[in-house]
Amino acid sequence: QQQVKQSPQSLIVQKGGISIINCAYENTAFDYFPWYQQFPGKGPALLIAIRPDVSEKKEGRFTISFNKSAKQFSLHIMDSQPGDSATYFCAASLSSLQGGSEKLVFGKGTKLTVNP
Amino acid sequence: DSGVTQTPKHLITATGQRVTLRCSPRSGDLSVYWYQQSLDQGLQFLIQYYNGEERAKGNILERFSAQQFPDLHSELNLSSLELGDSALYFCASSPRGRGFYNEQFFGPGTRLTVL
Repeated sequence: QQQVKQSPQSLIVQKGGISIINCAYENTAFDYFPWYQQFPGKGPALLIAIRPDVSEKKEGRFTISFNKSAKQFSLHIMDSQPGDSATYFCAASLSSLQGGSEKLVFGKGTKLTVNP
Repeated sequence: DSGVTQTPKHLITATGQRVTLRCSPRSGDLSVYWYQQSLDQGLQFLIQYYNGEERAKGNILERFSAQQFPDLHSELNLSSLELGDSALYFCASSPRGRGFYNEQFFGPGTRLTVL
């Protein structure tokens, strides 16, 4: 029940295209859903995050869409650029108010390549 | 730069040995998390400390232990090392107690190679 399933495993997009990465979770108690971006040799960096009380959050070219009933959420990268080439991880956790650990449960990652 | 520091950056050691990984959280962050990243298992939560006390354990082996000191830095101790322990080890910190949501900031990681 703690799993987060992420797809696709890899994605190749042309410059200017839209990159879409999908995640599904099982634990309905999760109430915080961040996306992390990781470049080779670096630690994961928080990209954007959403709470389950909103269906969409947009920050620049990055948008999270959230479907609570389907227990799914996705990351859309508009106007994808070669500099966006990285591995993207979705994650889920409990908020501090729930009293448990706020450990992140990660998806397996998606390696995005944006061709020039 | 996340503000989380980890040392050493690389560590090469032999099977059966013991190593210590160090993490300094962002200024003011009370929570420290340790994660292991390997090709087959992805990013896996190991253990969490909050203000010096263990808060949660994940898939952490009995050969591994951690602690958080009064100055809030944390150390992850790995002993009786096996080849399969070779991985990237990340520390993350968060300002739990000052915010509702758990924004975790990751350090640059320690790459452990067991030969």
